[in-house]
Amino acid sequence: DVKVTQSSRYLVKRTGEKVFLECVQDMDHENMFWYRQDPGLGLRLIYFSYDVKMKEKGDIPEGYSVSREKKERFSLILESASTNQTSMYLCASSPSWDEQYFGPGTRLTVT
Amino acid sequence: GIQVEQSPPDLILQEGANSTLRCNFSDSVNNLQWFHQNPWGQLINLFYIPSGTKQNGRLSATTVATERYSLLYISSSQTTDSGVYFCAVALNAGNNRKLIWGLGTSLAVNP
Repeated sequence: DVKVTQSSRYLVKRTGEKVFLECVQDMDHENMFWYRQDPGLGLRLIYFSYDVKMKEKGDIPEGYSVSREKKERFSLILESASTNQTSMYLCASSPSWDEQYFGPGTRLTVT
Repeated sequence: GIQVEQSPPDLILQEGANSTLRCNFSDSVNNLQWFHQNPWGQLINLFYIPSGTKQNGRLSATTVATERYSLLYISSSQTTDSGVYFCAVALNAGNNRKLIWGLGTSLAVNP
């Protein structure tokens, strides 16, 4: 079975803090993704990566950056957290980009 | 761009009942996935189904790509089936490789 893990289930941060969300997959997948999920808006793609050190912007990259130094790990960075970044963050990995497997999610609250 | 519509938006069932969830999409797609998001937020892959019919226990799915819809059948529902069901379609237009998500069907199964 594919296993995708995320560093925290729940996280509370203050406005202006730098926040790191980490995602690790154990299936040697090329592709990894970061989404945020908000009520009424569904899942929205923030960034994705199809190879080590490669990244592509998704639909809502503003206020976020990513890092992929190793194939199994994809990090999402909030440079200066704001209250409108309070959300559920979901990481996924995929062998072929269109069949995605998700981690358990991180509920981030920015106060 | 392509639109993905799911119906019904909300559904309440008594344990043991059967149900059908629908996913319509407005253009040709390369693939389609069904997911279940449990009450703790975890997205679980149910089916990866570009066309045809697949079955897994009490769940089955049918995609008719030529008519641009997919159906998810849940038979003999159980309380553990509660949660939100999403369909996501895969486009492959040049470098625009991403999933387009529906807004989900929220299912509550009462004992």
